Amino acid sequence: QQQVKQSPQSLIVQKGGISIINCAYENTAFDYFPWYQQFPGKGPALLIAIRPDVSEKKEGRFTISFNKSAKQFSLHIMDSQPGDSATYFCAASNFNKFYFGSGTKLNVKP
Amino acid sequence: EAGVAQSPRYKIIEKRQSVAFWCNPISGHATLYWYQQILGQGPKLLIQFQNNGVVDDSQLPKDRFSAERLKGVDSTLKIQPAKLEDSAVYLCASSLQASKNTEAFFGQGTRLTVV
Repeated sequence: QQQVKQSPQSLIVQKGGISIINCAYENTAFDYFPWYQQFPGKGPALLIAIRPDVSEKKEGRFTISFNKSAKQFSLHIMDSQPGDSATYFCAASNFNKFYFGSGTKLNVKP
Repeated sequence: EAGVAQSPRYKIIEKRQSVAFWCNPISGHATLYWYQQILGQGPKLLIQFQNNGVVDDSQLPKDRFSAERLKGVDSTLKIQPAKLEDSAVYLCASSLQASKNTEAFFGQGTRLTVV
């Protein structure tokens, strides 16, 4: 059973555009929702994370929107740049046990 | 601060052979994870250690996979015998503590190809 569902599988955005990746979860016990960025040949690296007591968190060009009632959260990348081209994974965690989504491969065209 | 170290980076073996991966977590991190990442998929937790004790190994195929974390620091993951479907990147990660959610730091992974 997949604990975290992520969409889309792939995304192409023009430079300067907004990239949006969505995730949904079922287990209401999850209390930490990180997003990881992974470049080819590298391990995932934490990009931004949110706890369910807030509805939005912004760090630079990256924003997480969190809807607790709908059990959904999303990553918005504003002013997308070619350097943002990578695979993005959402995750949900409880007691430091992380469940990952299937990933979104983002390609930002110059 | 040194990151999570893994070796080897790449390994090619024939099916039914055995293989071992090594991980050195960030100093002071109590929690250590091994994940399996099949191409095009998200990481899947194989085993989670808290110090040198196993917290969760429910998704570890115990008939062929084993892992240990001696002295609560380094860890090894072994596969014996390997199958074709074991081809994947094996990621080690560590985090500071398990009592509350904290960031997990990942190593670069070991890419295993079973032929």
